Amino acid sequence: QKEVEQDPGPLSVPEGAIVSLNCTYSNSAFQYFMWYRQYSRKGPELLMYTYSSGNKEDGRFTAQVDKSSKYISLFIRDSQPSDSATYLCAMSAGGNNRLAFGKGNQVVVIP
Amino acid sequence: NAGVTQTPKFQVLKTGQSMTLQCAQDMNHNSMYWYRQDPGMGLRLIYYSASEGTTDKGEVPNGYNVSRLNKREFSLRLESAAPSQTSVYFCASSEDPNYEQYFGPGTRLTVT
Repeated sequence: QKEVEQDPGPLSVPEGAIVSLNCTYSNSAFQYFMWYRQYSRKGPELLMYTYSSGNKEDGRFTAQVDKSSKYISLFIRDSQPSDSATYLCAMSAGGNNRLAFGKGNQVVVIP
Repeated sequence: NAGVTQTPKFQVLKTGQSMTLQCAQDMNHNSMYWYRQDPGMGLRLIYYSASEGTTDKGEVPNGYNVSRLNKREFSLRLESAAPSQTSVYFCASSEDPNYEQYFGPGTRLTVT
């Protein structure tokens, strides 16, 4: 079983819809959780960073962590064509452990 | 701030040639990383440097070497390039291994 599982998509949604992305993981020691956005032919850019369980909101973006289910989610409200990108989840157990990345989920927002 | 910069942006090598990919960060971060990204494989860690003066192997270190030149700079060297090393290479840095990483724009390498 891979440490981090992420559906690669692509996920196509109409403009204005809510985009829902998720990752599951197997390592119960993970406590730092991140979401990155990667546009085509660019480097990943950090979107959200959360520690332990709970929700975090930043503008149209909401990150949720459910450690009991080993499941994290990213929601994008009022999606825009500029949100079309690949979204990668990443997580770490801390203590000099490396980040474990999901393979990325491609999102296409159709005008 | 430029953040994380990488040179070159593109490179084509012949099998057996060598080259060094350069990375620099201006965020005063302690930790730096080299990843490769291949279709269907996601990001895979090649080498990392948790702090100046230390380097460690990641998931896919074979065929690569690294040098942490100083706190700002972390280079990746391919001594004898192989077609299997055709990939997009990303450098990243973080304040601490536990914290979020910031990525550079990438180097697209093709080995023929």
